Amino acid sequence: AQTVTQSQPEMSVQEAETVTLSCTYDTSESDYYLFWYKQPPSRQMILVIRQEAYKQQNATENRFSVNFQKAAKSFSLKISDSQLGDAAMYFCAYRGVNFNKFYFGSGTKLNVKP
Amino acid sequence: ETGVTQSPTHLIKTRGQQVTLRCSSQSGHNTVSWYQQALGQGPQFIFQYYREEENGRGNFPPRFSGLQFPNYSSELNVNALELDDSALYLCASSSSDRGYAYEQYFGPGTRLTVT
Repeated sequence: AQTVTQSQPEMSVQEAETVTLSCTYDTSESDYYLFWYKQPPSRQMILVIRQEAYKQQNATENRFSVNFQKAAKSFSLKISDSQLGDAAMYFCAYRGVNFNKFYFGSGTKLNVKP
Repeated sequence: ETGVTQSPTHLIKTRGQQVTLRCSSQSGHNTVSWYQQALGQGPQFIFQYYREEENGRGNFPPRFSGLQFPNYSSELNVNALELDDSALYLCASSSSDRGYAYEQYFGPGTRLTVT
């Protein structure tokens, strides 16, 4: 079964600084999708960024970018110029090409200090 | 375009009772997935409904069941509630081909407390 591991339960970053959240996963599939979701204290989870495993280029969305290392099964999220509104729980998620369910990690709580 | 909504927001039930949670999917979406998120954990997949049929299930017992209606809204039913069923229940809708969605849009969740 696929597993997703986030080894950093909590992290802190100073406003305007850069922070990297880690995620590793285990799979025997060669093609799949990886996601980072943000869950603010109000609870509604939103998609931050998505990466297709067949794409070598790392995905980027404004201040958010990923470092996808397929051989190492690693998928980290970098947040640049951190803002107070970035404070939330961040979840890494995996979905196989031939499966319809998402596997989530246990999350990393990000604190942003003014 | 309306987003995903869930009702109720909070619910308190007694062990052994039954509960029904509701989800209205985003306009145009044909797929609904349900997740259980225990405190301090990531969401765990319960099941998915695609065009009114169950289309995949996680490691949850049969007392967790669901429905999807012609307008693609959905219900999650849990029978014989146990204390460990206390969690945030999230609904996510998507527009998919046979249930294989690139993106899911989550509702705000229903917080269920079983005493």
